[in-house]
Amino acid sequence: DTEVTQTPKHLVMGMTNKKSLKCEQHMGHRAMYWYKQKAKKPPELMFVYSYEKLSINESVPSRFSPECPNSSLLNLHLHALQPEDSALYLCASSQIGRGVNGYTFGSGTRLTVV
Amino acid sequence: DAKTTQPNSMESNEEEPVHLPCNHSTISGTDYIHWYRQLPSQGPEYVIHGLTSNVNNRMASLAIAEDRKSSTLILHRATLRDAAVYYCILRVRTSGSRLTFGEGTQLTVNP
Repeated sequence: DTEVTQTPKHLVMGMTNKKSLKCEQHMGHRAMYWYKQKAKKPPELMFVYSYEKLSINESVPSRFSPECPNSSLLNLHLHALQPEDSALYLCASSQIGRGVNGYTFGSGTRLTVV
Repeated sequence: DAKTTQPNSMESNEEEPVHLPCNHSTISGTDYIHWYRQLPSQGPEYVIHGLTSNVNNRMASLAIAEDRKSSTLILHRATLRDAAVYYCILRVRTSGSRLTFGEGTQLTVNP
């Protein structure tokens, strides 16, 4: 299995809702990432997990709450989002090492906040 | 992170080679040069990476200048499916944990 699977593919949520995005990989990668991508812009790093521990938080608002329950799963919990949070949310994974390996990205969850 | 500079857009014709340039004049000795591409409505896809020597794989070739301050991604025969945004990214050799995207180059392939 050489894929990163993200669910759901599309999500519409109200500003008072609570929802979660899910990401799964079975490549044995011990680093996992969340990125946010607005239309016509490059992906922006949000969080990095290394060995299931949060290692980087790029000053993301607390309405986004990541979780890594095990080495194969990564969740992003969403609460009280704003319309400007509408974007494509990408999950990625990689081996941990000397920068010798590429990242594998999922196809993303397209989130619309209404 | 060291910065990369790429042209905003390039055009190519189908079945012709494409050379996508990237400048990274502030590259350090510990930086790998990575290339990714993103097709419409998809996540980024790893293409190739290198440190000092030129690299080839089934998707592309990477030519790295001797001083490492620039590199070129070479698609040997462009197809319509190669139309994408191509990102050149420097990845710190030892951290293995941060990949920072620049604006990239939008490649258009004409039939």
